[in-house]
Amino acid sequence: NAGVMQNPRHLVRRRGQEARLRCSPMKGHSHVYWYRQLPEEGLKFMVYLQKENIIDESGMPKERFSAEFPKEGPSILRIQQVVRGDSAAYFCASSSTGDTDTQYFGPGTRLTVL
Amino acid sequence: QQQVKQSPQSLIVQKGGISIINCAYENTAFDYFPWYQQFPGKGPALLIAIRPDVSEKKEGRFTISFNKSAKQFSLHIMDSQPGDSATYFCAAPLCSGTYKYIFGTGTRLKVLA
Repeated sequence: NAGVMQNPRHLVRRRGQEARLRCSPMKGHSHVYWYRQLPEEGLKFMVYLQKENIIDESGMPKERFSAEFPKEGPSILRIQQVVRGDSAAYFCASSSTGDTDTQYFGPGTRLTVL
Repeated sequence: QQQVKQSPQSLIVQKGGISIINCAYENTAFDYFPWYQQFPGKGPALLIAIRPDVSEKKEGRFTISFNKSAKQFSLHIMDSQPGDSATYFCAAPLCSGTYKYIFGTGTRLKVLA
């Protein structure tokens, strides 16, 4: 039973480039969450999505960041025109329901912006 | 913004000892308190969780103690082992029945062999 999958595991981008992070939820899960973890800090909620819908993006920076969860395929977190401050670990989690429910995390994508 | 305050930031324990990590929360509507364990380079994994209708939950060597009146909960690791060395995060939903978790800042535990 595959868990939450994320790719790539490591991503290096130069300032101004675009970063695309992918997340495939656990089988049977239709709720996806993205978190960002800065070095030596806890995880910060970014966005919550269901298939084809953004439910809550209150934790997303207003510019350059976007997320989607299409009907087919993985959820995508997209960061345009990356800056050094975007360097972090980005984790995706999924759950079977949208209320208080156990969220299962993927291994994360570590983004480094040069 | 609501917070979950976690302490200590780091902890060193001898093998066989008891590791204790504490968290304090503000929002009385919190009703689900999970603890996550994270190894270097890995994603957080659910370790144990408690709801406030009980004061304690035990799973193997891991116990959560919950003090609703003090708005605190803690993780106890009995007979700590070197394999327990990891970063531990407490978390709570922002409000009752929500998906939005607030995480503590983490405790880096090192268990000496």
